[in-house]
Amino acid sequence: GQQLNQSPQSMFIQEGEDVSMNCTSSSIFNTWLWYKQEPGEGPVLLIALYKAGELTSNGRLTAQFGITRKDSFLNISASIPSDVGIYFCAGMNYGGSQGNLIFGKGTKLSVKP
Amino acid sequence: DAGVIQSPRHEVTEMGQEVTLRCKPISGHDYLFWYRQTMMRGLELLIYFNNNVPIDDSGMPEDRFSAKMPNASFSTLKIQPSEPRDSAVYFCASSPRGGQGYTFGSGTRLTVV
Repeated sequence: GQQLNQSPQSMFIQEGEDVSMNCTSSSIFNTWLWYKQEPGEGPVLLIALYKAGELTSNGRLTAQFGITRKDSFLNISASIPSDVGIYFCAGMNYGGSQGNLIFGKGTKLSVKP
Repeated sequence: DAGVIQSPRHEVTEMGQEVTLRCKPISGHDYLFWYRQTMMRGLELLIYFNNNVPIDDSGMPEDRFSAKMPNASFSTLKIQPSEPRDSAVYFCASSPRGGQGYTFGSGTRLTVV
């Protein structure tokens, strides 16, 4: 089945630094999503990408849908302590009926004040 | 909107007991998903419904697991009998239509001792 490789697994950075994480797949997707999960909560959608090559921003977050449709990256600029959490990429293909989201294993982000 | 509501938030039960997890999706969302999250396997889709009808239950690990959606505002995931390896966080999510990002509930942390 389809699998997503998300890297890095974890990051320890200083407040103010930029962060970059990415996801690659062995097969193509027609939707890429990025989620953030904080302790004790469910994942929360950050950015949705629906077109190959699409670059979308949400505040300090920027994500891109790779041209090959097999990868995506998420950048966080000028990190702050509340950026701490686990970031998940997710890919989806949908057709006549809903496809389902395939999740990466997550990138755990720690930010030192 | 109250979001996706799951209950209970925490459940501790003894091996062999029946466990029922509950979910109320966002009103108007046609799709409902049950996910399980563990450290080892990450987020795994168990089953999803479209307009209350189960579409794909290939992720349900064994016959001990069953899910129902008797109406558009309620779904249950039942484990009978429960085993220690079922310990995980179970998430319910809903989405308005195909190809859209999901909204997750806060999850039920299940511990089977």
